[in-house]
Amino acid sequence: EVQLEQSGAEVKKPGQSLKISCRGSGYIFRNYWIAWVRQMPGKGLEWMGIVYPGDSDTRYNPSFKGQVTISVDTSINAAYLQWNSLRVSDTAKYYCATRTGDHGWFDPWGQGTLVTVSS
Amino acid sequence: SYELTQAPSVSVSPGQTASISCSGDQLGEKYVCWYQQRPGQSPVVVMYEDDKRPSGIPERFSGSNSGNTATLTISGTQPMDEADYYCQAWDPTTAVFGGGTKLTVL
Repeated sequence: EVQLEQSGAEVKKPGQSLKISCRGSGYIFRNYWIAWVRQMPGKGLEWMGIVYPGDSDTRYNPSFKGQVTISVDTSINAAYLQWNSLRVSDTAKYYCATRTGDHGWFDPWGQGTLVTVSS
Repeated sequence: SYELTQAPSVSVSPGQTASISCSGDQLGEKYVCWYQQRPGQSPVVVMYEDDKRPSGIPERFSGSNSGNTATLTISGTQPMDEADYYCQAWDPTTAVFGGGTKLTVL
């Protein structure tokens, strides 16, 4: 079974750094793009960016470029989403999802990581 | 940047047909997929490539895409279908989500 397992909830203060993870299993991890999606409290889905584990090719939504870093470690089948300096407005649930098929739908999704940034 | 527009909410009575629309410029020239998100859960794809149902998704779900509008139709809507629904397309290397439609079954 294809699965994405995300790291646990985080509570941070503004200005702190954070790296959350997404580990894939049940498929050839390096062959499928992995996306990160933000969902702010009570709001919709926002695509942040995507990484291809095979060669670490990374694409960002212009709205998030420079705000976060997406990376991958194929030795442990993990993708990462990283912040150098968190803001209160980064409070959200973050999902990873595998891009599937020729025309790129997202399936499956991880369970989400809730990030709370508060002073 | 490309935008997909959805109505914030749709209501339907149990057993009736629900239509959830997603509009965007020349959307019919792109492939659209749809996600269902129940409260507290991760999104699940219910339709891909406009009109293809993943395995495990009930036949009452169907999709279409033409012109500037894609539509997700749920025939014989059941209470368990109450959820938020999001459309998504690529433009061309950026994924774009619609704002989401809350389907209420009452």
